[in-house]
Amino acid sequence: EVQLVESGGGLVQPGGSLRLSCAASGFNFTNYWMSWVRQAPGKGLEWVANIKQDGSEKYYVDSVKGRFTISRDNARNSLYLQMNSLRAEDTAGYYCARGLRWLGTDYWGQGTLVTVSS
Amino acid sequence: DIQMTQSPSSLSASVGDRVTITCRASQGIRNYLDWFQQKPGKAPKSLIYAASSLQSGVPSKFSGSGSGTDFTLTINNLQPEDFATYYCQQYKTYPQTFGQGTKVEI
Repeated sequence: EVQLVESGGGLVQPGGSLRLSCAASGFNFTNYWMSWVRQAPGKGLEWVANIKQDGSEKYYVDSVKGRFTISRDNARNSLYLQMNSLRAEDTAGYYCARGLRWLGTDYWGQGTLVTVSS
Repeated sequence: DIQMTQSPSSLSASVGDRVTITCRASQGIRNYLDWFQQKPGKAPKSLIYAASSLQSGVPSKFSGSGSGTDFTLTINNLQPEDFATYYCQQYKTYPQTFGQGTKVEI
């Protein structure tokens, strides 16, 4: 069974940092692109970042470029999102998701909540 | 960036109805489009990829069509468990972008 389990969310002050993790199991992690998608309270979905199977390509939404870094550890079947210089507008549930570049997204984790507030 | 516009933003329907949701891209995206279902407090669930292909395990009451800029998601024989918010997402070009969502209510 495919499982994606996020962790690392919490309350952080503006300007602070947080590192999200996503533990993958039940499939060959190295075969898939991985993504982070977020959802602000009461709002729609927003794609945040993607990373290729071998980590050689990474893409970000403009609003997080230079502040967030997506990475993966294929030996640990884990995906990460390092979030620096956090802002109130980064407050959201963050989901990790699995997919293929030209076949879209097929599985989602349950999400972890990040709250940026003083 | 490619803008994805869904219509309607919300709709009311009854059990047994057939529902159609439209998603329009601001430029051509071939068939690089996903549809997702999200229930309150839950993670999104993948329904359709490549505009018209059903994800494994998704019932055939869901169907997708379209190519280029105009796409539709159709739900036949609406059941109580289908009342949710539905999102389209294009993945042809970065940044990958979502529609604003369509809430299907009783």
